[in-house]
Amino acid sequence: EAGVAQSPRYKIIEKRQSVAFWCNPISGHATLYWYQQILGQGPKLLIQFQNNGVVDDSQLPKDRFSAERLKGVDSTLKIQPAKLEDSAVYLCASSSIRVGNEQFFGPGTRLTVL
Amino acid sequence: GNSVTQMEGPVTLSEEAFLTINCTYTATGYPSLFWYVQYPGEGLQLLLKATKADDKGSNKGFEATYRKETTSFHLEKGSVQVSDSAVYFCALRTRILDVIIQGAQKLVFGQGTRLTINP
Repeated sequence: EAGVAQSPRYKIIEKRQSVAFWCNPISGHATLYWYQQILGQGPKLLIQFQNNGVVDDSQLPKDRFSAERLKGVDSTLKIQPAKLEDSAVYLCASSSIRVGNEQFFGPGTRLTVL
Repeated sequence: GNSVTQMEGPVTLSEEAFLTINCTYTATGYPSLFWYVQYPGEGLQLLLKATKADDKGSNKGFEATYRKETTSFHLEKGSVQVSDSAVYFCALRTRILDVIIQGAQKLVFGQGTRLTINP
């Protein structure tokens, strides 16, 4: 079974530019999560989708971050405009009630904002 | 709110040494507890979990016991190997019944502990 796929793996941009990340969850997983992992910290949930609906986006900085999962499968996370403090690894995870809601993580996208 | 506190790293040990990484938590309700491991260049992987008090999770020689009275979930291994070098994260997740009230089943992570094992 293929794991969670993310792209790109690395991205370097200048502040005030825009960037987008893509995630393809494990097939059949209804729940998709985006986490932000700043260097030296644990991952922090940004947004959680159940199929194509948002369950929790309480920690998403909505003035600059947006995410969508239009068809309930893959998802994109966008930052516009980026700030220096957005430098982090962005992790995507997916889960299914069929496997006890265990979250499976992708390799992450490392974003550097200069 | 819910939170997890881990012992600060980095931790450096010799091969075959005994490992303990401390983890304590604060949570409403009765959370499930997890240890995740992140090897260099890879994503997070679930190492072990426990879903109720006094449960012991174990995997790959690692184990941790859910201690409700001390709100702890310390990770231990009797004899570490060089291949155990990684970053370890303790995490909690609220129970389904709590989720219905709170609306989401997110993982709350500690800050991570970097472990280096020297041959």
